Amino acid sequence: GQNIDQPTEMTATEGAIVQINCTYQTSGFNGLFWYQQHAGEAPTFLSYNVLDGLEEKGRFSSFLSRSKGYSYLLLKELQMKDSASYLCAPYPSGTYKYIFGTGTRLKVLA
Amino acid sequence: EAGVAQSPRYKIIEKRQSVAFWCNPISGHATLYWYQQILGQGPKLLIQFQNNGVVDDSQLPKDRFSAERLKGVDSTLKIQPAKLEDSAVYLCASNPFNSMNTEAFFGQGTRLTVV
Repeated sequence: GQNIDQPTEMTATEGAIVQINCTYQTSGFNGLFWYQQHAGEAPTFLSYNVLDGLEEKGRFSSFLSRSKGYSYLLLKELQMKDSASYLCAPYPSGTYKYIFGTGTRLKVLA
Repeated sequence: EAGVAQSPRYKIIEKRQSVAFWCNPISGHATLYWYQQILGQGPKLLIQFQNNGVVDDSQLPKDRFSAERLKGVDSTLKIQPAKLEDSAVYLCASNPFNSMNTEAFFGQGTRLTVV
């Protein structure tokens, strides 16, 4: 099974940097997804980490430590449009199954 | 390419009534998922299909929920009878099943309100 833990809410200021953490316990593990979900909309793909380390993609970066069961999503130069929920989803090995955490609701203030 | 299509977008029913949702995945995507997302929570997997076969339905409340994907393309999810706690957004997603490192693509969802 899987236990996924993320903060429920975070608040940050426009232009700032915010780090959203995710810890997980899973019996088998292939990689970890991050999705963004604006209110009333479908989740959209942000990143997928298979190897340990940091992957950068524009203003967004994602980090994974497989041995520690830990990931984070780093958002730089925050914009108002980044106000959304961010969902962490460890990807169990041997399956095509996406299991989501409760998500972190990020509010970006002017 | 066209995305995952779902209908209806919104549905309001009374408790004990029945309701059905429809999903058409991205063309060629072999794997199809139904998720239930209650307000303030992450999506919860209800059922996973591989072509027209069920891979995982361990979290589907089978006394009232059913789903099918008869021809391995589009799918329907039914609730009968509905309860107040079924109020949620029902999301359909698909995956091409040609690589282990591929994200799921989501539809816009159906927002169900049970009154």
